[in-house]
Amino acid sequence: QAVVTQEPSLTVSPGGTVTLTCVSSTGSVTSGHYPYWFQQKPGQAPRTLIYDTTIKHSWTPARFSGSLLGGKAALTLSAAQPEDEAEYYCSFSFSGSTVFGGGTKLTVL
Amino acid sequence: QAQLVQSGAEVKEPGASVKVSCKTSGYAFTAYRLHWVRQAPGQGLEWMGRIGPNTDGTRYAQKFLGRVTMTGDTSSSTAYMQLNSLTSDDTALYYCATTGVIGAWGQGTLVIVSS
Repeated sequence: QAVVTQEPSLTVSPGGTVTLTCVSSTGSVTSGHYPYWFQQKPGQAPRTLIYDTTIKHSWTPARFSGSLLGGKAALTLSAAQPEDEAEYYCSFSFSGSTVFGGGTKLTVL
Repeated sequence: QAQLVQSGAEVKEPGASVKVSCKTSGYAFTAYRLHWVRQAPGQGLEWMGRIGPNTDGTRYAQKFLGRVTMTGDTSSSTAYMQLNSLTSDDTALYYCATTGVIGAWGQGTLVIVSS
């Protein structure tokens, strides 16, 4: 089974920009892996921020954006806010099965 | 607005089975896949499988093959996930979630496996 790897932790200053990435053990990530990004705060269910690489939901703050970057899936947070401190997970689809990354703990400090 | 409401917490003994429900509303139940994801205490998200669209197509993660069954009741727009032969390693929060444009998650169901 494919393994999806994320940075274990990242720190961003309030108002700053940070990029979280996800890589696949199978090689370059493409739009055919249908990358998703999820945000989870302590004690809460995850919520979907981005699907199909770049598409935001109505509830996704405009400061979040998804992309493909050098063979990886990327989530960029611009103008970080204290409330963005959370765990972020990505997922990829591999022939109909889904694999999650291990998560990135984002600290806004 | 789509909503997914899951059944309440369960405590089971090792070797038992658990069946978690996920009642959906606000969208066309048969038109979208519904996934089951679990999260052990202090751990990350783990995909278990999915059903749909049309509730007649399932795909399970290799790890759970032979032990999990996902079904759907179109009359009540409710999905079910049954996990058999429980061990303490199955203690986790279990979530249902839709993907794509719907993007909704249930609130989670805590399953505790303990003797």
